[in-house]
Amino acid sequence: QVQLVESGGGLVKSGGSLRLSCAASGFTFSDYYMTWIRQAPGKGLEWVSSISGTGRSMYYADSVRGRFTIARDNAKSSLFLLINNLRAEDTAVYYCARDYGDYPPDIFDIWGQGTMVTVSS
Amino acid sequence: IVLTQSPGTLSLSPGERVTLSCRTSQSVRSTYLAWYQQKPGQAPRLLIYAASNRATGIPDRFSGSGSGTDFTLTISRLEPEDFAVYYCQQYGSSPLITFGQGTRLEIK
Repeated sequence: QVQLVESGGGLVKSGGSLRLSCAASGFTFSDYYMTWIRQAPGKGLEWVSSISGTGRSMYYADSVRGRFTIARDNAKSSLFLLINNLRAEDTAVYYCARDYGDYPPDIFDIWGQGTMVTVSS
Repeated sequence: IVLTQSPGTLSLSPGERVTLSCRTSQSVRSTYLAWYQQKPGQAPRLLIYAASNRATGIPDRFSGSGSGTDFTLTISRLEPEDFAVYYCQQYGSSPLITFGQGTRLEIK
């Protein structure tokens, strides 16, 4: 079945780096834009970054541009988020999601279970 | 674009009808507005896209409407499993993707 499974979260010190991964299965990965969305504890959803199916086009929220890098490996049906210079405000559950619409990035029909990133001082 | 959802929390009983509101600070391009449901400890689930189109597998008690800056999600008859947090989301404008702060629907 269609599935997304994130990994790579954990406890990291402020200023540190992390690489999140998302393994996709059950669909032709390269056909879809993919997106990272995060949710701070007890808070709402925040779009982080999206990448086209080919990997050539990338989009970032202003809050993470310059520190986060989105990437994908279509041969391995995997999505990545490289996070540098972590800050306390980056503490959140990070979800990967499949983009469903005709004019991506737009709507997200499949979500992973999320991976928790905690930044400590 | 800033999305403002109201009310913040609603307390209702199963069987009741509910309408959730999402207002945007600028007109949303081409009704590019979606709704998601999130239950505790779970990822969000897509309910409605393009303001009024139900996503695959979504029961017809869920309906969306609106255009411009005012959008609504209506649940015609609340089921026990509908008590959750609901988020609206715009796409296609700047910034590319933004979510509302959510409306919590709780059992009375």
